[in-house]
Amino acid sequence: AQSVSQHNHHVILSEAASLELGCNYSYGGTVNLFWYVQYPGQHLQLLLKYFSGDPLVKGIKGFEAEFIKSKFSFNLRKPSVQWSDTAEYFCAVKNARTGTASKLTFGTGTRLQVTL
Amino acid sequence: GAVVSQHPSRVICKSGTSVKIECRSLDFQATTMFWYRQFPKQSLMLMATSNEGSKATYEQGVEKDKFLINHASLTLSTLTVTSAHPEDSSFYICSASTATGANSPLHFGNGTRLTVT
Repeated sequence: AQSVSQHNHHVILSEAASLELGCNYSYGGTVNLFWYVQYPGQHLQLLLKYFSGDPLVKGIKGFEAEFIKSKFSFNLRKPSVQWSDTAEYFCAVKNARTGTASKLTFGTGTRLQVTL
Repeated sequence: GAVVSQHPSRVICKSGTSVKIECRSLDFQATTMFWYRQFPKQSLMLMATSNEGSKATYEQGVEKDKFLINHASLTLSTLTVTSAHPEDSSFYICSASTATGANSPLHFGNGTRLTVT
């Protein structure tokens, strides 16, 4: 079975600070990796995803994540956060060979609070 | 973009009663819908996968007689929590997919916060 660990539960940053949220997964096979964001009162939205190819993936709103296979990690980064980035961030993993529709395993989430 | 509407957003019910949560895909046909449950400060746990016109597939440890799922059409899936107890209080989230491929995108509803008193 696969699992996802997000070690930072609550992160507080000032505007313009750099962000890195950790995500580690455990699964021996080929995986697809995702970062989702949930703004207050809104639904989960996809930030970015990795399926194959360049391990550095760029998503919306200036976010990027790097897949490091040897470390089973998919950390999320942003060089300069904005107040509007305040949200909950979820890392998720899926067996890349799953024939049925996408069955995601989520991490516990990281609450990011950006202060002015 | 694809929109998934979940209703109600909040519900409070008494112990022993049943509660129905609806998940609708508003502008696309969802061949597959997923139901997740999230406890405070924990991750989203997949409860079941439902495909239109067939029985839902439940994850290990999820009671199918307690959490009834009906995916009667390509735009609607319902989750009924039967004989609810306080320990069923949680945040329930649905998501929908338009295809069955491994790379099919998921679209999430806003979630339903259930409180059982």
